[in-house]
Amino acid sequence: AQTVTQSQPEMSVQEAETVTLSCTYDTSESDYYLFWYKQPPSRQMILVIRQEAYKQQNATENRFSVNFQKAAKSFSLKISDSQLGDAAMYFCAYSSPQIQGAQKLVFGQGTRLTINP
Amino acid sequence: NAGVTQTPKFRILKIGQSMTLQCAQDMNHNYMYWYRQDPGMGLKLIYYSVGAGITDKGEVPNGYNVSRSTTEDFPLRLELAAPSQTSVYFCASSVRGTGELFFGEGSRLTVL
Repeated sequence: AQTVTQSQPEMSVQEAETVTLSCTYDTSESDYYLFWYKQPPSRQMILVIRQEAYKQQNATENRFSVNFQKAAKSFSLKISDSQLGDAAMYFCAYSSPQIQGAQKLVFGQGTRLTINP
Repeated sequence: NAGVTQTPKFRILKIGQSMTLQCAQDMNHNYMYWYRQDPGMGLKLIYYSVGAGITDKGEVPNGYNVSRSTTEDFPLRLELAAPSQTSVYFCASSVRGTGELFFGEGSRLTVL
């Protein structure tokens, strides 16, 4: 079974600085998706960024980028120019393509990110 | 579009009671999911559905039942509630091929 590990329960960063959240995963499959989801205090899960395993280029979304190391099974999230609104729980998640098309995500334990003004 | 709507947002149950968490989506997504999130933990998949009339178990299905009679609705039934089912429950939906799940706001359930 696939597993996702986030080894940093909490992180903090000064506003406008850069922070990197770590994630490792375990799988024997070659084709899969990786995600970072944000969960603010409102509880709703929001997709931050997505990476397809077959793509060598790291995904970027504005201030958010990933460092995808397929051989090392590592998938870190870098947040540049941190803003107060970035404060949230961040979850790393894994999904492999299913025959019927469902996306059965496996989540890590989460990293709570605090932004210091 | 409302997206994924869950009701109720909060509920307190006594041990042994039953209830249904409602989930509806208006995006015409084929795929729907129920996850639970225990304090300080990530989400775990309870059940999922690939279309009306088709459901399957996830990682933690014991104590729950689901049905999918329409594309829009995917209710989660708790029979004989136990304290171990105290959690926040999330419903989500997706389309084929994108990998992205759209989540509801969650339902906080406490069993006393």
